Amino acid sequence: DTGVSQNPRHKITKRGQNVTFRCDPISEHNRLYWYRQTLGQGPEFLTYFQNEAQLEKSRLLSDRFSAERPKGSFSTLEIQRTEQGDSAMYLCASSPPVTGELFFGEGSRLTVL
Amino acid sequence: GDSVTQMEGPVTLSEEAFLTINCTYTATGYPSLFWYVQYPGEGLQLLLKATKADDKGSNKGFEATYRKETTSFHLEKGSVQVSDSAVYFCALGDFSGGYNKLIFGAGTRLAVHP
Repeated sequence: DTGVSQNPRHKITKRGQNVTFRCDPISEHNRLYWYRQTLGQGPEFLTYFQNEAQLEKSRLLSDRFSAERPKGSFSTLEIQRTEQGDSAMYLCASSPPVTGELFFGEGSRLTVL
Repeated sequence: GDSVTQMEGPVTLSEEAFLTINCTYTATGYPSLFWYVQYPGEGLQLLLKATKADDKGSNKGFEATYRKETTSFHLEKGSVQVSDSAVYFCALGDFSGGYNKLIFGAGTRLAVHP
């Protein structure tokens, strides 16, 4: 399978714990995006990487959230001191530089108890 | 800021019925418009797109026309199948930052019964 891969697919954690999600983009894609989707809503933009550089962060990305893309390959999204309001599906997408079409992974669902 | 509004679901149809899912947008520039589909248990997939006014995107029997005068991008299909049951998202692409930052609507769930 050469699509966008996300792990873990589902994470259940207690409030206050830290969680980390990983995204492996399609190999030739230099652009990577994180979105958040809550129940009954469309995905909301969180952040964008071009290669290893994080070029934009949404206001939704509070100080408890940090995203990295070392070496411009896989990316991680860490949430510190989780809150119940962080419960959502976290989607990763990648795109090639020319067409700009986004290819999405299946998402990582976070449940904070 | 830019935004997308789509009709609320769920939309429930019988097989072979005609489908319309309304989508309107607000944008300051000249966005590209997209329809994404999410089948149960799967990730979002691009269904079709249109990059400028009066363009028609089409794929798998679905069509949508970029109407600048009405700021709309309604999704249509002449004869739906059970396999079309999914959640459909309308989105606009804001390229002002030099990359495709998608802004999504809330999604419309379609259920097709035999």
